[in-house]
Amino acid sequence: DAGVIQSPRHEVTEMGQEVTLRCKPISGHDYLFWYRQTMMRGLELLIYFNNNVPIDDSGMPEDRFSAKMPNASFSTLKIQPSEPRDSAVYFCASSLGSLAYEQYFGPGTRLTVT
Amino acid sequence: GNSVTQMEGPVTLSEEAFLTINCTYTATGYPSLFWYVQYPGEGLQLLLKATKADDKGSNKGFEATYRKETTSFHLEKGSVQVSDSAVYFCAHKKDGQNFVFGPGTRLSVLP
Repeated sequence: DAGVIQSPRHEVTEMGQEVTLRCKPISGHDYLFWYRQTMMRGLELLIYFNNNVPIDDSGMPEDRFSAKMPNASFSTLKIQPSEPRDSAVYFCASSLGSLAYEQYFGPGTRLTVT
Repeated sequence: GNSVTQMEGPVTLSEEAFLTINCTYTATGYPSLFWYVQYPGEGLQLLLKATKADDKGSNKGFEATYRKETTSFHLEKGSVQVSDSAVYFCAHKKDGQNFVFGPGTRLSVLP
C-alpha cells in the first residue's frame, strides 16, 4: 500500500488567498484525521471523519477553515482566506475502526502564508 | 481532562548513551499508551505500544512499561544511534476515543 498520500507537500501563498490541502487515506480505513503542527502549539487535532461523516470539528480554529470528505478515498482541508498565522505543517492520518491502535500519518503539507 | 506530559527537550546525547524520555498521563480508567516517532520531514509513525498495566512495549531497541501506579510510560533505550535523532511523542487512547498526544520531545544524537 502507498500509505496516506498528501498534496501538495509544500505550499507558499499570500495572505488572503484560498488554500486547499488534499489527502488520500489508506484504502479500507474508515477514520480520517486532520492535524496541524506548529512549534508553539505542537500537534493539534482539527477534525476527524468516520465513514466520510465529520464527527468532531471542535479543533477547527475558526470559520476560515473547512474540511470535506466527499468519498472514502479523498478529503480536503480548505483555508479561505489564509493568514500568516496559519503557517504550519498539516498532517492527514487514517485508521481502521474506533478500536485501532495505530494511526497512519501522511508526510504532511508545509504551508507558508506570507 | 485527558492530557499527556513529556519532559521538555531538546535532549542531546552522544552516540551509545542511555536514553530516557519521561511521560506521564492523565485519563479516566486505563487507556492504551503509545510512543510515536517523527523523523525529519516525515509524519508520525508508531514506535511501540502497551495496552494494559505492567505491559512492556518494545521496538528497535526502545522500551516503555505501562505503570498505572505512577500513570507513567517512560521511553528508554540502552544505546542510542545517530539515526534515532527525531521527535518522540507520547500518547494515550481509550476505546472509541481519539488519541491524546503529548507536546513531543526532540532528541539529537551526536556522533
